[in-house]
Amino acid sequence: QKEVEQNSGPLSVPEGAIASLNCTYSDRGSQSFFWYRQYSGKSPELIMSIYSNGDKEDGRFTAQLNKASQYVSLLIRDSQPSDSATYLCAVRGAGSYQLTFGKGTKLSVIP
Amino acid sequence: GAVVSQHPSRVICKSGTSVKIECRSLDFQATTMFWYRQFPKQSLMLMATSNEGSKATYEQGVEKDKFLINHASLTLSTLTVTSAHPEDSSFYICSARSTSPGYIQYFGAGTRLSVL
Repeated sequence: QKEVEQNSGPLSVPEGAIASLNCTYSDRGSQSFFWYRQYSGKSPELIMSIYSNGDKEDGRFTAQLNKASQYVSLLIRDSQPSDSATYLCAVRGAGSYQLTFGKGTKLSVIP
Repeated sequence: GAVVSQHPSRVICKSGTSVKIECRSLDFQATTMFWYRQFPKQSLMLMATSNEGSKATYEQGVEKDKFLINHASLTLSTLTVTSAHPEDSSFYICSARSTSPGYIQYFGAGTRLSVL
């Protein structure tokens, strides 16, 4: 069974600090990796997608992928209180239509 | 990013009635859509995968006769909760899969269903 593991948190960081969110996955054949942000009572919104090893940066967000270690992370620089949310890691296996979601990490940015 | 419209955003109904939820991809065609359910403080649970022009594929434990899914066009999928009961009260979220490279899934805003 394909699994995606995340630390449930809560992860608390002070405003302006770097928040580091981690995710591991069990399916070695996974090809596509996504980070979604979900505010309380709202639906998930896409933050980043990454498909190849290395880093991908978009504004304050950097996604990192290491397929050999089956590990994907999300760094949030200069964290803001508005970043406080649950962050979902999602993985798609080779030839699959579906995403497998982790249970999410709750991030709290303290002013 | 691409836009997925989901209506209604909130619905309150009496036990025994049926509720239809619509999910539309506004600026892209989606041959595949997904329906999720989420209870408070819990993770997303995939209910079914909806493919345009064919029958939906339901996850184990999801009653297909209770949760009717129709994917009539490349931009519209509907979920009908039939004979709703209080235990069906939940947050229902649709997602559409883009056919562009990357095949990103975009989510609708969700429908909060309360069955009295």
